[in-house]
Amino acid sequence: SQQGEEDPQALSIQEGENATMNCSYKTSINNLQWYRQNSGRGLVHLILIRSNEREKHSGRLRVTLDTSKKSSSLLITASRAADTASYFCATILGNTPLVFGKGTRLSVIA
Amino acid sequence: DADVTQTPRNRITKTGKRIMLECSQTKGHDRMYWYRQDPGLGLRLIYYSFDVKDINKGEISDGYSVSRQAQAKFSLSLESAIPNQTALYFCATSDLSDNEQFFGPGTRLTVL
Repeated sequence: SQQGEEDPQALSIQEGENATMNCSYKTSINNLQWYRQNSGRGLVHLILIRSNEREKHSGRLRVTLDTSKKSSSLLITASRAADTASYFCATILGNTPLVFGKGTRLSVIA
Repeated sequence: DADVTQTPRNRITKTGKRIMLECSQTKGHDRMYWYRQDPGLGLRLIYYSFDVKDINKGEISDGYSVSRQAQAKFSLSLESAIPNQTALYFCATSDLSDNEQFFGPGTRLTVL
């Protein structure tokens, strides 16, 4: 069964607004990763945050991790139409492969 | 050239046929993975391999088999395809289990 669960399932915003997506997971983790998928294409890695980190930035992306609540959030600032995609969180523990959530579909309207 | 390639990109087949999906990578990674994606269900792991001599079942391995022919090649087979195996299939690689995965472009498989 899937470890992570993204919320909301779908999000529609205007260009220039910020987009926030959340991920909740069930067990302890080594790290949590966020991926992006344009329609029908392969996933692309965005950012990795380790269990001992609380916040990480990459360009317009900001990721937070709260291990006590078993949750993470992905913030995309000043969104653009090109940010329209599905976003997935994935978690890993030990030597097991990544376990992906079901994703959030983001639509950015120009 | 793409680092992770998948062939074919699209395939339509009939129930009962044997199908092989191939994945090749030029990243030099030891670890390779096969995922299946269905609408609304995210990605589910079918099989994974941490090196040439290592094969492991994932969450949904029933009805599938794999072969790791070399470090760079990992094939997924459907011995007798059925309609509920219609999905988008992705191959991915990584150098370590906790590092980022690199995905291929996907194979869209339709079983009639």
